[in-house]
Amino acid sequence: DGGITQSPKYLFRKEGQNVTLSCEQNLNHDAMYWYRQDPGQGLRLIYYSQIVNDFQKGDIAEGYSVSREKKESFPLTVTSAQKNPTAFYLCASYTGRESPVYNEQFFGPGTRLTVL
Amino acid sequence: GESVGLHLPTLSVQEGDNSIINCAYSNSASDYFIWYKQESGKGPQFIIDIRSNMDKRQGQRVTVLLNKTVKHLSLQIAATQPGDSAVYFCAELGGYNKLIFGAGTRLAVHP
Repeated sequence: DGGITQSPKYLFRKEGQNVTLSCEQNLNHDAMYWYRQDPGQGLRLIYYSQIVNDFQKGDIAEGYSVSREKKESFPLTVTSAQKNPTAFYLCASYTGRESPVYNEQFFGPGTRLTVL
Repeated sequence: GESVGLHLPTLSVQEGDNSIINCAYSNSASDYFIWYKQESGKGPQFIIDIRSNMDKRQGQRVTVLLNKTVKHLSLQIAATQPGDSAVYFCAELGGYNKLIFGAGTRLAVHP
């Protein structure tokens, strides 16, 4: 089955620690995204990547870092510099507007990060 | 800058009525728009999309309307059911495949 997976589902960390959230897709999608969602709020874009070895900052990139060494993987690191990291983190992938399959994009199930 | 927003944060409807959720966007260069449904604790689920060369697109019980003149997008849900209760987001595809979301509208369906 094709899909996008995120792990873990729940994550706890102590203040001051870095933590990495996993996002994997086997859909052969070029574009991948990380969003943050706070309770009762919308999705805010952290980072996105159009292609392997390339990524751009979104609207709230401070305190986060990413890598895109493989097409299938787009891990997000929440660093100790992120002042308020407790949130629901969502990863998404998309074929990209250049693809003939224009509307194929999916979200993962999300990771809920809590800083203790 | 690019932005997508919504007019109504909460919408309450009676079961069986039609629902209309609105969205405004600011980037006239955006060429692709998507509506998502998000249930509590889950990731957003694709509902329907529309390209900028279209004014209307219909799916099963849902219709998306695009008015490029006023940069407005709407999602119409026919015969709203309790299972439609969720938060609905519009999203806009900008340059470099940047996918930007609006704030969301919570749809509450009452029996």
